[in-house]
Amino acid sequence: DAGVTQSPTHLIKTRGQHVTLRCSPISGHKSVSWYQQVLGQGPQFIFQYYEKEERGRGNFPDRFSARQFPNYSSELNVNALLLGDSALYLCASSGRGGDYSNQPQHFGDGTRLSIL
Amino acid sequence: GDSVTQMEGPVTLSEEAFLTINCTYTATGYPSLFWYVQYPGEGLQLLLKATKADDKGSNKGFEATYRKETTSFHLEKGSVQVSDSAVYFCALSAYNNNDMRFGAGTRLTVKP
Repeated sequence: DAGVTQSPTHLIKTRGQHVTLRCSPISGHKSVSWYQQVLGQGPQFIFQYYEKEERGRGNFPDRFSARQFPNYSSELNVNALLLGDSALYLCASSGRGGDYSNQPQHFGDGTRLSIL
Repeated sequence: GDSVTQMEGPVTLSEEAFLTINCTYTATGYPSLFWYVQYPGEGLQLLLKATKADDKGSNKGFEATYRKETTSFHLEKGSVQVSDSAVYFCALSAYNNNDMRFGAGTRLTVKP
């Protein structure tokens, strides 16, 4: 079975632009989470979606938004890009809702976003 | 809030040496604990997990025991290989919480 797939793998943008990152979860997984990983640090939680509804939001500004589609794929949108948004953006999917804590998250290889 | 603290790296070992990477956590409830590994240019791969106190997670020769009394989940391996060189992340997920909290990561380099 295919793992979590993310596109694009690399992206270069300039300050003030907008970006859309895409994620396809593992088949059968209904929960998708987004993380930002700045170089040299651990991933920071941005959003979780389950059954097309937002179930959690991390400490990120409103410039960050996301949505989940009926096929459980997801998009992360970032407006008015800043230099500090340069990072690896990771998508993760997990199998079931309910008690999220017992479900390990399966990560894609990420989209590396560079802001010039 | 809930958080994870892991030992700072980098860690450099010779092949076949013993590995310990320390991880402690702070959580209000009873979280599940995880170790993830990240190879260069890749996403995170789940290495092992433990969901309750005294559980031992193990995989590929790595082990970690959920110690509630010391709020720890140290990663160990008896004999490391060059192929184990990567960044290791300790993480927790609280019950019915929607986000996973990660430590800063520990870079391991194993030399032949």
